[in-house]
Amino acid sequence: DAGVIQSPRHEVTEMGQEVTLRCKPISGHNSLFWYRQTMMRGLELLIYFNNNVPIDDSGMPEDRFSAKMPNASFSTLKIQPSEPRDSAVYFCASTTGVVYEQYFGPGTRLTVT
Amino acid sequence: AQSVTQPDIHITVSEGASLELRCNYSYGATPYLFWYVQSPGQGLQLLLKYFSGDTLVQGIKGFEAEFKRSQSSFNLRKPSVHWSDAAEYFCAVGAAAAGNKLTFGGGTRVLVKP
Repeated sequence: DAGVIQSPRHEVTEMGQEVTLRCKPISGHNSLFWYRQTMMRGLELLIYFNNNVPIDDSGMPEDRFSAKMPNASFSTLKIQPSEPRDSAVYFCASTTGVVYEQYFGPGTRLTVT
Repeated sequence: AQSVTQPDIHITVSEGASLELRCNYSYGATPYLFWYVQSPGQGLQLLLKYFSGDTLVQGIKGFEAEFKRSQSSFNLRKPSVHWSDAAEYFCAVGAAAAGNKLTFGGGTRVLVKP
């Protein structure tokens, strides 16, 4: 299996621009998670989906952030407009939903200037 | 709500020496416990997990962890550290009542001296 795939691996954008991060979970996994990692705040859960349905988005910082999962094999995290404080590494993870063991993608390093 | 504390932010250990990373959790029922490792520039990789049964669990890369209910701890150990073990280590707790969510500790960064 290819594991969790994230794209792009690196993104540099200017403040105010829209940013879209993409994730392909492991085939057969029915839960998907978006995390943000920074030096100051560590690893934070932003949102997670079960069977393509958002279950808990309490970690989404504000309305500038949105996430979708149109089907079982694809999810996006969008930031519009982006701000410098959004600079972080964003991870996607997936699991079968049975044993809670999450498999992480390689992350997207976002830099907003 | 569940929580995880990793008291040590940084640990420096000599190559060949033993390593122990501390993890304390807070949860009312039996938790599911995990240790993940993150190498620089990489995602998190699962080292080992505890769900039930034998309280000493073996993982990949020669790591093991022991679940101690009385101490609410799940410490990670390795008898002899290799330079490639330099990384950040995260303890995490999950629970049936929390659905599929995991709560992660703040991480412990391990530096290995030659």
